[in-house]
Amino acid sequence: GAVVSQHPSRVICKSGTSVKIECRSLDFQATTMFWYRQFPKQSLMLMATSNEGSKATYEQGVEKDKFLINHASLTLSTLTVTSAHPEDSSFYICSAGTSGRWVETQYFGPGTRLLVL
Amino acid sequence: AQKVTQAQTEISVVEKEDVTLDCVYETRDTTYYLFWYKQPPSGELVFLIRRNSFDEQNEISGRYSWNFQKSTSSFNFTITASQVVDSAVYFCALSEARAGNNRKLIWGLGTSLAVNP
Repeated sequence: GAVVSQHPSRVICKSGTSVKIECRSLDFQATTMFWYRQFPKQSLMLMATSNEGSKATYEQGVEKDKFLINHASLTLSTLTVTSAHPEDSSFYICSAGTSGRWVETQYFGPGTRLLVL
Repeated sequence: AQKVTQAQTEISVVEKEDVTLDCVYETRDTTYYLFWYKQPPSGELVFLIRRNSFDEQNEISGRYSWNFQKSTSSFNFTITASQVVDSAVYFCALSEARAGNNRKLIWGLGTSLAVNP
């Protein structure tokens, strides 16, 4: 149980294009999904928290217009990197939370490696 | 402020050795949750354990064991008889229990474990 898929696993794109990454919870409904970014040999950096049917909450320093998040259903959230540039190259990871009232365990997708040329 | 410290950046052991990964946390809340995740070279984060602040019982799962000590604010992870497949980065994380959706994880910087044959 608690399987999260992420697609694509790897993408290479030209500078200026937009890239969409999908995150799906396959066998449970996720009240909350989280988007992270991870640089090589570093910890995870939370970018935003998204809740189904409402606007995402972005962390300080994360550009909302640059990283568009849509959480259309309890099993799907998407992250769109708009007008990607080489500095956006990174490992993007989503997680889906299964919640009790007070705690959420996050289950992670396999990640998407983005390379912007 | 909440903080998670994993003082060991890298650990290298020989197969079959026991190894302990340290995690020290800071929080002002009386109710909180602690997590360990494993990130193998493939990149996907694997959930290992969740422990709430009211449960100080140690846990054992196969070769893995966890020692939670509130008195020292530590949640250490021990792998017994390590194997090459245990090679990964291990992250400790803290989540404060609160109502609503703001239950993000506070991450340590991770400990990179290399188990050599």
